[in-house]
Amino acid sequence: GAGVSQSPSNKVTEKGKDVELRCDPISGHTALYWYRQSLGQGLEFLIYFQGNSAPDKSGLPSDRFSAERTGGSVSTLTIQRTQQEDSAVYLCASSLARGLGGNTEAFFGQGTRLTVV
Amino acid sequence: GENVEQHPSTLSVQEGDSAVIKCTYSDSASNYFPWYKQELGKRPQLIIDIRSNVGEKKDQRIAVTLNKTAKHFSLHITETQPEDSAVYFCAATSSNYQLIWGAGTKLIIKP
Repeated sequence: GAGVSQSPSNKVTEKGKDVELRCDPISGHTALYWYRQSLGQGLEFLIYFQGNSAPDKSGLPSDRFSAERTGGSVSTLTIQRTQQEDSAVYLCASSLARGLGGNTEAFFGQGTRLTVV
Repeated sequence: GENVEQHPSTLSVQEGDSAVIKCTYSDSASNYFPWYKQELGKRPQLIIDIRSNVGEKKDQRIAVTLNKTAKHFSLHITETQPEDSAVYFCAATSSNYQLIWGAGTKLIIKP
């Protein structure tokens, strides 16, 4: 595809259930980021992938959160035993982090709006 | 690690006036500084960026300046219009190419 794609766009889940969010980055982009954004708030960093490895996962709020990336492409963010405070928009972004001159533009997906009821 | 601070958190200006948003960073090795605009309900999108070998860059009504010695960079918007109302985020790269973000500035353009 032409841009970063996230699925689902909306997810309503019951408290205590597990959810899986998917991000398809732009082809060839080595860097992939997951962020969480609550209404009217900033970008809360969750995890950064460079290829399939995660040099920085310091933003994951608890051990209920995990993420993986396979084949240097698709990434999934899994939230186990969801809580109401997990409700937010989860944004994924990708960039060509080691292009000529270093970093290049990061492109964001449209986000997944997660609502835990 | 890299830390990016952004000020102010909210900025209200009269339509037609200029707006300036400032960011400071901590990692002297940072070499890429983008600015993103996020309109309500939409994803952040790049509006302008600057690299460390350049001191200033302009694109119509927006400009970014970089002071490497002081480790700060600023976004300047002239002749502000209602459609400039949004949240603006700055970012800087860290040593592992990771983008580190500022907390955002909500820009309000008063008619």
